[in-house]
Amino acid sequence: KNEVEQSPQNLTAQEGEFITINCSYSVGISALHWLQQHPGGGIVSLFMLSSGKKKHGRLIATINIQEKHSSLHITASHPRDSAVYICAVIPNTGNQFYFGTGTSLTVIP
Amino acid sequence: NAGVMQNPRHLVRRRGQEARLRCSPMKGHSHVYWYRQLPEEGLKFMVYLQKENIIDESGMPKERFSAEFPKEGPSILRIQQVVRGDSAAYFCASSPNPVRSVYTFGSGTRLTVV
Repeated sequence: KNEVEQSPQNLTAQEGEFITINCSYSVGISALHWLQQHPGGGIVSLFMLSSGKKKHGRLIATINIQEKHSSLHITASHPRDSAVYICAVIPNTGNQFYFGTGTSLTVIP
Repeated sequence: NAGVMQNPRHLVRRRGQEARLRCSPMKGHSHVYWYRQLPEEGLKFMVYLQKENIIDESGMPKERFSAEFPKEGPSILRIQQVVRGDSAAYFCASSPNPVRSVYTFGSGTRLTVV
């Protein structure tokens, strides 16, 4: 069983729609990252969260440490948001990230 | 993201050859992490290095793979006698501290073994 589970695995949305991607994890963590990967491209860290909520432009990320759950929201989605979004957690012990398998988002014009 | 430089971006090797992947961390970052992304799979941790030291190599295959981060120069991930199953994207990330509050990824090296 993966330490990090994401849903949905694939998501198609119409331009302008509000999008939510969920991440649940099973280990105690010190922080959680949301990453973005474009097809054939590199990986960009969008947010690092240890509590509460962060907002950057049209992106909002929330985390509930007690429930071991985080969500990434995209408001007014745009085709350029099409990418794979990956949830990654930093466990309290150990040196490595645990990654979700990613959510592939396609926004249709 | 441009701060962590990986090269080459694409690398093609024949089975049995050696592959060398380089990662130059961001300025001021002394902690380097290597990850592998197999086709249709998620990212998996391989190794964590600090200057001249391997801190955690629990994700590295026991044979053919090695990594270093010398005092001067980039971190190198070396794969000897490559096999088709080594074909993957290899990402490097760096941070200024082990807490990884600031964490920057490179653009990756896509290795294809033919």
